[in-house]
Amino acid sequence: EAQVTQNPRYLITVTGKKLTVTCSQNMNHEYMSWYRQDPGLGLRQIYYSMNVEVTDKGDVPEGYKVSRKEKRNFPLILESPSPNQTSLYFCASSFIDRDKLFFGSGTQLSVL
Amino acid sequence: GQQLNQNPQSMFIQEGEDVSMNCTSSSIFNTWLWYKQDPGEGPVLLIALYKAGELTSNGRLTAQFGITRKDSFLNISASIPSDVGIYFCAGPVSGAGSYQLTFGKGTKLSVIP
Repeated sequence: EAQVTQNPRYLITVTGKKLTVTCSQNMNHEYMSWYRQDPGLGLRQIYYSMNVEVTDKGDVPEGYKVSRKEKRNFPLILESPSPNQTSLYFCASSFIDRDKLFFGSGTQLSVL
Repeated sequence: GQQLNQNPQSMFIQEGEDVSMNCTSSSIFNTWLWYKQDPGEGPVLLIALYKAGELTSNGRLTAQFGITRKDSFLNISASIPSDVGIYFCAGPVSGAGSYQLTFGKGTKLSVIP
């Protein structure tokens, strides 16, 4: 089944404890992206990648890192999480036409 | 980044009623996309529009690409309870070697049985 898989689905952590949210897609998509969703703010792009070893900042990249060593994986790294990074995170991917994004089911992160 | 303004922010309707929502921008878009997010899930693409004036349907959903290329509209006819969710418009912003998909803040739809 074609899908974007994020893990974990839920995560509670404490301020400053490094964490990684994994994202994997099995559709051979070149383009991958991370979004965060907050009430009243909609979906805001954190980082995106147009291909392996190519990453770019989105609208809200501060406090986040990403890597794209393989085409299928695009992990999101929070080196030192803070409470303002409590949010619902979505990974998404698409083919080269890039507009038909497929989203994962989301990761609800709480930073205490 | 470029902003997309969606209206209304939320709406409560009776089952069976028709729904209209819109998305506007101060900039021109060459593509308009409409996504739906079911509660607890990621957004799913409903309709993609590529040409000014284009009218495209997907079942009870109809979307239009505004003539000015600065707006788009989504209509849902004869709403049912499973139409509940958040509807997002989106548009691509591309430049030299870069690409981003910008989303509106969403219209949250509640359907009263």
